Amino acid sequence: EPEVTQTPSHQVTQMGQEVILRCVPISNHLYFYWYRQILGQKVEFLVSFYNNEISEKSEIFDDQFSVERPDGSNFTLKIRSTKLEDSAMYFCASSEGTGFRNQPQHFGDGTRLSIL
Amino acid sequence: GEDVEQSLFLSVREGDSSVINCTYTDSSSTYLYWYKQEPGAGLQLLTYIFSNMDMKQDQRLTVLLNKKDKHLSLRIADTQTGDSAIYFCAEKYGGSQGNLIFGKGTKLSVKP
Repeated sequence: EPEVTQTPSHQVTQMGQEVILRCVPISNHLYFYWYRQILGQKVEFLVSFYNNEISEKSEIFDDQFSVERPDGSNFTLKIRSTKLEDSAMYFCASSEGTGFRNQPQHFGDGTRLSIL
Repeated sequence: GEDVEQSLFLSVREGDSSVINCTYTDSSSTYLYWYKQEPGAGLQLLTYIFSNMDMKQDQRLTVLLNKKDKHLSLRIADTQTGDSAIYFCAEKYGGSQGNLIFGKGTKLSVKP
């Protein structure tokens, strides 16, 4: 069964450094998402992306975050200047569509980001 | 804001049924989902239900939806040790293009 794949599985970065998290969505999917889960807290929506632009973003997704689809397969999340509170598990998801027709989101295994 | 709540822990004996409960606040939710997370793994989609249905069965899984009370449950029949995991309830927020709102997850422990 097709899967969403994320790399790396664990990223350790010094505070203030830039980090790029990578995702390969399922190949025929058109909508892409990033979520994060701070340890012990809920999974929170960050951003959705369709047709090479952001569809929706949450309050968490401020100017230090950006997303990109640099080629036909990868979808990346960049955090420009990392803070301690960015430490979390970051999940990428993709779906065939959205809206009223149900197109479930399929998730990757996540990247654990640790900021020192 | 919109919210999804779940109890945090459930412990059952192997072979028993497990019932995991969830409440949500968004009355315009279109779809509700159950995801499973095993240790060190991602979120695996288990099943989902459309908001105009009240029940959906899929092998050992039964989803019940009480839309009036905004209550969703997942019943796992004949629970096995391999079912031990965290189970997340999520709703597709009606006011968005598709972002999911998750509960905190219920940790299911299955004792042999």
